Amino acid sequence: QKEVEQNSGPLSVPEGAIASLNCTYSDRVSQSFFWYRQYSGKSPELIMSIYSNGDKEDGRFTAQLNKASQYVSLLIRDSQPSDSATYLCAPGADGLTFGKGTHLIIQP
Amino acid sequence: GAVVSQHPSWVICKSGTSVKIECRSLDFQATTMFWYRQFPKQSLMLMATSNEGSKATYEQGVEKDKFLINHASLTLSTLTVTSAHPEDSSFYICSARLGIWGYTFGSGTRLTVV
Repeated sequence: QKEVEQNSGPLSVPEGAIASLNCTYSDRVSQSFFWYRQYSGKSPELIMSIYSNGDKEDGRFTAQLNKASQYVSLLIRDSQPSDSATYLCAPGADGLTFGKGTHLIIQP
Repeated sequence: GAVVSQHPSWVICKSGTSVKIECRSLDFQATTMFWYRQFPKQSLMLMATSNEGSKATYEQGVEKDKFLINHASLTLSTLTVTSAHPEDSSFYICSARLGIWGYTFGSGTRLTVV
């Protein structure tokens, strides 16, 4: 049984600060990992994908992967109110097993 | 970019009737389509995986006779909720794999059974 654990939050971060989102997973076979953002009532949209250990940066977003620890994180720099959403972690093999997501609130 | 078009975006139906949800890949061929269900304040739960030209694979606990999936072409997959009941009210989302680039999602269908 694949499991993905995320702190459900809500995580409240002041505007302009760094938001740090964490995720652990149980499936050691997973080679690809994805972070999705989901606004209320909408479908998920891909934010970041990462396949190798280490960091991957894309604009204000940085994904970090540690396969040995089965841990993946997402950092959001210069947080904006529009970043307020639920962030879903998903190790991807066939289909995706989603965590419950972390509800992020950026306070203006 | 690769787009999956999902229709309808919302539907209200009477208990006991059937509802069909369509997902079309607009500019690519989706060999595999995934169907998810999401209840309020919960995560997406994979219901089934459909492969073009073959029977869908259902996750444990999902009734295959109630949730009929058809993937007759590389650009169209449908989910039919048969004999819908109020407990089937949920947000249904389809998703297609884009190889190593991850997955793209349809816009979702909000089903309300009254």
